[in-house]
This record gives sequence, C-alpha cells and structure tokens, in this order.
Amino acid sequence: DAGVIQSPRHEVTEMGQEVTLRCKPISGHDYLFWYRQTMMRGLELLIYFNNNVPIDDSGMPEDRFSAKMPNASFSTLKIQPSEPRDSAVYFCASSLDPGRYNEQFFGPGTRLTVL
Amino acid sequence: SQKIEQNSEALNIQEGKTATLTCNYTNYSPAYLQWYRQDPGRGPVFLLLIRENEKEKRKERLKVTFDTTLKQSLFHITASQPADSATYLCALPTRSNTGKLIFGQGTTLQVKP
Repeated sequence: DAGVIQSPRHEVTEMGQEVTLRCKPISGHDYLFWYRQTMMRGLELLIYFNNNVPIDDSGMPEDRFSAKMPNASFSTLKIQPSEPRDSAVYFCASSLDPGRYNEQFFGPGTRLTVL
Repeated sequence: SQKIEQNSEALNIQEGKTATLTCNYTNYSPAYLQWYRQDPGRGPVFLLLIRENEKEKRKERLKVTFDTTLKQSLFHITASQPADSATYLCALPTRSNTGKLIFGQGTTLQVKP
C-alpha cells in the first residue's frame, strides 16, 4: 500500500480564498483523522471519522472549517474563507481500530500558507 | 482534560550515548501510551505502544517505560546514532478511548557524531 496520500503538498493562497485539502486513507482503515500542526499549538486533532461518519468535530476551530468523507477512500478538509492564522501543516491519518491499540498512520501533510 | 508535558527544550547528546525523553501527563491514567517519531517536513511515524498493565516495552534499541503512579513514560534510545535525530511525540487516548489521541508538543533530539 502507498500509505496515506495527501494533496496538495503545498498550498499558498490569499486571505478570503477557499482552500480544499484532500486525503486518501490506507485501504481497509475504518478511521480517518484530520490534524493541524503549528509551532505554538503542536499537533491538534480537528475531526475524525469512523466508517465515513464524523464522530468528533470538537477540534474544528470555527464554521469556516468543514470536512467530509463521501466514501471510504476519500476525505476533504475545506476552509472558506481562509485567514492568515490558518497557516499551518495539515495532516491526515488513518487507523484500523485505535480503540484496540492500533497506531495511526500519517500522511506527508499539506503545508498551507495564507497571505 | 488530559494534559501532556514533554520537555520543550532540545536534547543534545553524543553518538553512542543513551537518550532519555520524558512524557508526563496529568488527570486520568490512560489505557495505553504511544510514541511517535517526526522528521522535518514529514508526518509522525508510530514507534511503540505500551499498555497500562505493562511496565516496560522494548523494540531493538528503543525502550519505553510506563509508570502509572508517577503518571510518566520514559523513552530511551540506546547506542544513539545521528540518524536518531528527530522530534519524538508521546500520545495518549482520551478517557473514553474511542480512538482520539492527544499528542504532546514533542521533544527534539539531536545526536552529534
């Protein structure tokens, strides 16, 4: 398996624009996680899905952020409108069943810069 | 809510020595604890998991301990090499253990040749 795939790897946009980040989890993994990493706040969980259903979105900063998982092999994280404070590295991760001690597999991340 | 403390200062050691990284947590005792490695520009990579009923776990040159009384985990790398230089993150599940992990800020290790 190719591992967790994320696109784009880098995104530079201007404030107010819509940004869409994409993720393809490892085949067979039932859980998908979206994280944001910054120097100040570290690695923060934004939202996670189980079998394509959002389970916990308490980490989503505000209504400008939304995430979807239309099928088991694809998820998107959208920011609309984007702001400079959204600049961060966004990671997608997948897991078999983390409640049974399974580890999370992370993608390479998308580095987002909002000017 | 759970809080995790990892030494924010970088750890610099000489090649061949043992590196010891600390992860302290407050509040409830988790069912398990995980350690991840993160290299610059990459996502975290899972290294080891230790369960609450295990005191020690080993994998090659890595050793993790879990002291639920002290609410602390120690991560050791023996015979360290420059290739071990990276940031190491500890992660704990939430009390409900539904799959959500809380990550520490990480400790950066620099192994000098």
